[in-house]
Amino acid sequence: DAGITQSPRHKVTETGTPVTLRCHQTENHRYMYWYRQDPGHGLRLIHYSYGVKDTDKGEVSDGYSVSRSKTEDFLLTLESATSSQTSVYFCAISSAGGGSHNEQFFGPGTRLTVL
Amino acid sequence: QQQVKQSPQSLIVQKGGISIINCAYENTAFDYFPWYQQFPGKGPALLIAIRPDVSEKKEGRFTISFNKSAKQFSLHIMDSQPGDSATYFCAASKNYGGATNKLIFGTGTLLAVQP
Repeated sequence: DAGITQSPRHKVTETGTPVTLRCHQTENHRYMYWYRQDPGHGLRLIHYSYGVKDTDKGEVSDGYSVSRSKTEDFLLTLESATSSQTSVYFCAISSAGGGSHNEQFFGPGTRLTVL
Repeated sequence: QQQVKQSPQSLIVQKGGISIINCAYENTAFDYFPWYQQFPGKGPALLIAIRPDVSEKKEGRFTISFNKSAKQFSLHIMDSQPGDSATYFCAASKNYGGATNKLIFGTGTLLAVQP
C-alpha cells in the first residue's frame, strides 16, 4: 500500500464520543486526503491537505476536522461521533496536485462503527 | 454537475468474456479520468487513466474508451479472469492549475468473473 498505514484498522465506539483516526506515510508526499466509503456512494472526499498545516474541506466535511503537524501524519477527528459516520475511512497520498494529476495511493482503510 | 454516474452496479461475466463498465459525467471541465480497482479488505488502486485528448487507452487486457462529445467513458476488460473479480470505480477530476487534485468517484461496480 505504497508506504501508507492507517490506525486503528477497526474501531467500535459509541455515539457522542470523540474519535481520531491516523494516517501515516513514509513516501514524503505533499498531498494527503481522507475519504469515506459507503455502499451506493463510492468514495467521497472529507478533507485534504496540501502541506504541513495546510488543509481544506472536501464534499462531506461536516462533523469532521483534520490536522497535519508533520509531513508524514494526517489526523482525522470526529468531534462527537454519530451513527451516520459509521463507514470505512481511507487515507490517500499523492506527490503532486491538480497540475500534473499524479496518482493517488490509498491506504488499507479503517472500519469505524458508531453504536 | 460534480457527479460521476457509474453503471452497472454489479456485473457477472464468464471467464474469457468481456466486462464493460460505463461512466458518465456532466462537468466539461473534468480533464482526468482514472479507473480504480479494489479487492475486499484493501484500498483502491489505480488501474488505468485517460485524458480527454485521446479516445482510447489500452494497457494489457484493460482499455478505456472515451467519448468527449457524449461525456462518457468506459472500462473494457478483455478475456476476463476470476482474478479480476473486484469492485471498480471510475473517477474524474479537473485541473485547478496547481491546486489539489480532488477526485470525484462513481458509485462502484462489483464484478464477479465466474470460472
